[in-house]
Amino acid sequence: DAKTTQPPSMDCAEGRAANLPCNHSTISGNEYVYWYRQIHSQGPQYIIHGLKNNETNEMASLIITEDRKSSTLILPHATLRDTAVYYCIVRRGGATNKLIFGTGTLLAVQP
Amino acid sequence: DAEITQSPRHKITETGRQVTLACHQTWNHNNMFWYRQDLGHGLRLIHYSYGVQDTNKGEVSDGYSVSRSNTEDLPLTLESAASSQTSVYFCASSEKGMSADTQYFGPGTRLTVL
Repeated sequence: DAKTTQPPSMDCAEGRAANLPCNHSTISGNEYVYWYRQIHSQGPQYIIHGLKNNETNEMASLIITEDRKSSTLILPHATLRDTAVYYCIVRRGGATNKLIFGTGTLLAVQP
Repeated sequence: DAEITQSPRHKITETGRQVTLACHQTWNHNNMFWYRQDLGHGLRLIHYSYGVQDTNKGEVSDGYSVSRSNTEDLPLTLESAASSQTSVYFCASSEKGMSADTQYFGPGTRLTVL
């Protein structure tokens, strides 16, 4: 599975959009981009995933560049409860279901 | 609502004792996973199962075992607890057969080995 690179930390003002970048320059054609987050002392929570196209759900939007070498997770209106570590994970589809978690980005939403 | 639960939530044990951590999910998912989380290491996969009677080793499986006798449960056993196994343990489950499934995590068990 491809390796990802994320900034260790970011700040965002409450009510503003939070844009979390992820580089995955060695991604292959059958690998998906997943985003999970982990709020302090809780289990990781699935946010969104995509293959090629941009995706949106009730939590966030995922923007994947055309060459698929990077992506951005967008939380449109960040709240204090969005303070968490955000993990970008690249994983093949198919039979294997393992997730390889890196160190993620600590997003601190400021009041 | 379907959910995934872990018990106990906190456990203190002594070196050398056998410990079993429980994981129960009500989604009827075929896939189940155990991870441990330590400072500086993120989450690391211990064992996983793709169905009843199926178990597989992850990247940090030494000293741990699992068994899958039904769909709902995947207990994690530490055969002889060591201080290096002090950690937070997370169980997860996912549906089988989808090209890009998602994993749902339990609340975690904090284990301290003295």
